[in-house]
Amino acid sequence: GAVVSQHPSWVICKSGTSVKIECRSLDFQATTMFWYRQFPKQSLMLMATSNEGSKATYEQGVEKDKFLINHASLTLSTLTVTSAHPEDSSFYICSAKVDRAGSQPQHFGDGTRLSIL
Amino acid sequence: GQNIDQPTEMTATEGAIVQINCTYQTSGFNGLFWYQQHAGEAPTFLSYNVLDGLEEKGRFSSFLSRSKGYSYLLLKELQMKDSASYLCAVWDSNYQLIWGAGTKLIIKP
Repeated sequence: GAVVSQHPSWVICKSGTSVKIECRSLDFQATTMFWYRQFPKQSLMLMATSNEGSKATYEQGVEKDKFLINHASLTLSTLTVTSAHPEDSSFYICSAKVDRAGSQPQHFGDGTRLSIL
Repeated sequence: GQNIDQPTEMTATEGAIVQINCTYQTSGFNGLFWYQQHAGEAPTFLSYNVLDGLEEKGRFSSFLSRSKGYSYLLLKELQMKDSASYLCAVWDSNYQLIWGAGTKLIIKP
C-alpha cells in the first residue's frame, strides 16, 4: 500500500515554458505532500510543504510565484514551474505523508526529470 | 541549527561488509530513517529507528544511540546493486524530516 504516482517522469521543453508536475496518492489520502528538488550529486532539498485545502509553505529561498503548488484534493498535489529557464533543470520529487505512526514518514513518487533548453 | 553529518563517499568490495555512520543534532527527535537512492531515481525506504539498539532486516541493519546522536547503517554481503547513495534523515520535534547530504557507496568487484 501507500503508492505515490508522479507524472510526467521526464520533460524536455523550451525556455519560457510553464511545466506542470502531478503527484497522486493512489491508495491513501494524503493531507500533506512535499516537493523536493535534487541537483546532480546533491541531496534532496525541500522546496515546499503542501497541505490540502490551504496554501503551501515554502522553504527559504524558494520563489512561490515561480513554483506554484496546488493541493486541491486529498490525493493530488501539483507543482507548476512557471516560465522555466535552464537553471530550473533538475530532478523534482514529490512525497506524501502517511498519517499513521511508525515505519515510514513519507512515500516518494518516482520523480520528474526536467530539462529546459 | 539542525545538522546531520554522514560521509560523502565510501568504497567497499563485493561480498564485504560496510558501515555508514550518521550523526545528528536536531531540535528534538522522533525517529531516524535510512533511505537508499540509486542515481536518477527517487529514494526508497530502508529502515526506521526510534529506540536505541539494532534493527536487523536481511542484509541491512540499522543502529541507533539517542544519547550520542548517532546511527549507522550496516550492509552485509555487499552486492554490486548496493552501489547507491544512502540518506540519513531525522524526524525532529515537529515531525519535520531533516535530511543528511547522503553517502555515495561505491562497490568494487
